Amino acid sequence: KQEVTQIPAALSVPEGENLVLNCSFTDSAIYNLQWFRQDPGKGLTSLLLIQSSQREQTSGRLNASLDKSSGRSTLYIAASQPGDSATYLCAVTMNYGGSQGNLIFGKGTKLSVKP
Amino acid sequence: GAGVSQSPRYKVAKRGQDVALRCDPISGHVSLFWYQQALGQGPEFLTYFQNEAQLDKSGLPSDRFFAERPEGSVSTLKIQRTQQEDSAVYLCASRLLAGTDTQYFGPGTRLTVL
Repeated sequence: KQEVTQIPAALSVPEGENLVLNCSFTDSAIYNLQWFRQDPGKGLTSLLLIQSSQREQTSGRLNASLDKSSGRSTLYIAASQPGDSATYLCAVTMNYGGSQGNLIFGKGTKLSVKP
Repeated sequence: GAGVSQSPRYKVAKRGQDVALRCDPISGHVSLFWYQQALGQGPEFLTYFQNEAQLDKSGLPSDRFFAERPEGSVSTLKIQRTQQEDSAVYLCASRLLAGTDTQYFGPGTRLTVL
């Protein structure tokens, strides 16, 4: 059974700092990996999607890497801002016959960026 | 265009009551998912529809949970005889096609069972 773990569970940083969020998964037979952002009372917003054949994806100040063989992904946030404060969730989609593509999530990292 | 919408946004139920949660997916999206997110946890898969067909209900925690999507658009998640452990945020997501492309999430319904 696939298990997704995110470390740390919570992180507080001053504004302007660069930071890294970690995600690990136990079964490397993934189709893709996504990073989501969740704001209180709101749904999930997809930030970056990395296909299993890719090593990284970038969007603005965000960069996500994937090392499928070691079961790890990192989300790098450059020059953090108070508006980045949210919970960040990592999720994988499995790659096997019959998979309908449901997401398997970690518990998230709650990020607080202080002005 | 409009995103995924869910109603009600908040629901308080007394233990033993039945509840119905509604999801309006993005128009034309074939796939629809329901997830349950307990406090401090990541979302967990409940069930999956492709059009009107419920192809996977392996994540439903008990036979008190029932989902339908009779016309392949709007979906309803029904919980009978609610228990305190059912308290969670219920998220709906839709996807344009069957397969593994991006899912778009609604804001969720926060269910509190007293």
